[in-house]
Amino acid sequence: QKEVEQDPGPLSVPEGAIVSLNCTYSNSAFQYFMWYRQYSRKGPELLMYTYSSGNKEDGRFTAQVDKSSKYISLFIRDSQPSDSATYLCAMTSTGTALIFGKGTTLSVSS
Amino acid sequence: EAGVTQFPSHSVIEKGQTVTLRCDPISGHDNLYWYRRVMGKEIKFLLHFVKESKQDESGMPNNRFLAERTGGTYSTLKVQPAELEDSGVYFCASSRWAGVTYNEQFFGPGTRLTVL
Repeated sequence: QKEVEQDPGPLSVPEGAIVSLNCTYSNSAFQYFMWYRQYSRKGPELLMYTYSSGNKEDGRFTAQVDKSSKYISLFIRDSQPSDSATYLCAMTSTGTALIFGKGTTLSVSS
Repeated sequence: EAGVTQFPSHSVIEKGQTVTLRCDPISGHDNLYWYRRVMGKEIKFLLHFVKESKQDESGMPNNRFLAERTGGTYSTLKVQPAELEDSGVYFCASSRWAGVTYNEQFFGPGTRLTVL
């Protein structure tokens, strides 16, 4: 069983839609949870970071962590064509070596 | 502030040859990481430097890979001899403080390595 599972998609939505991305994990020691966004031919860029369980909101983005279910989510409201990218979940128990999901490719059409 | 830079952006070599990848972290960042993404797989951790010392090299696949970080500044990752399965995108990341439980890792654009 992989440590982090993420559906690679692709996911296609119209502009303005609410997007839900998620990952499941198996290692209960993970306590730092991140969402990265990666545009084509670029490196991953941190979008959201959450420590332990709970919700975090930043503009149109909301990250949720449910440690009891080993499940994390990223919600994007009012999605825009500029949100088209690959979204990677990542997590770590140590704060250093990140364990990534495969990434979900999102396409938002105008 | 300049971001993490990597050189070259793309390298194509023959099996058995040697390749050296370079990473320049953000100035002042103590932590430097190497990751690799093989086609179809997730990004995987290779190793972590704190300044010039290897803190964690648990992800290095085998002894054909050698990483160094001269004077705690830039880092090189040498693959010798390269094999077909080494093809992928090699990412470097850096973060600011050593000894802090978590701080944001900033990624470079990656080096795309193709071994023929």
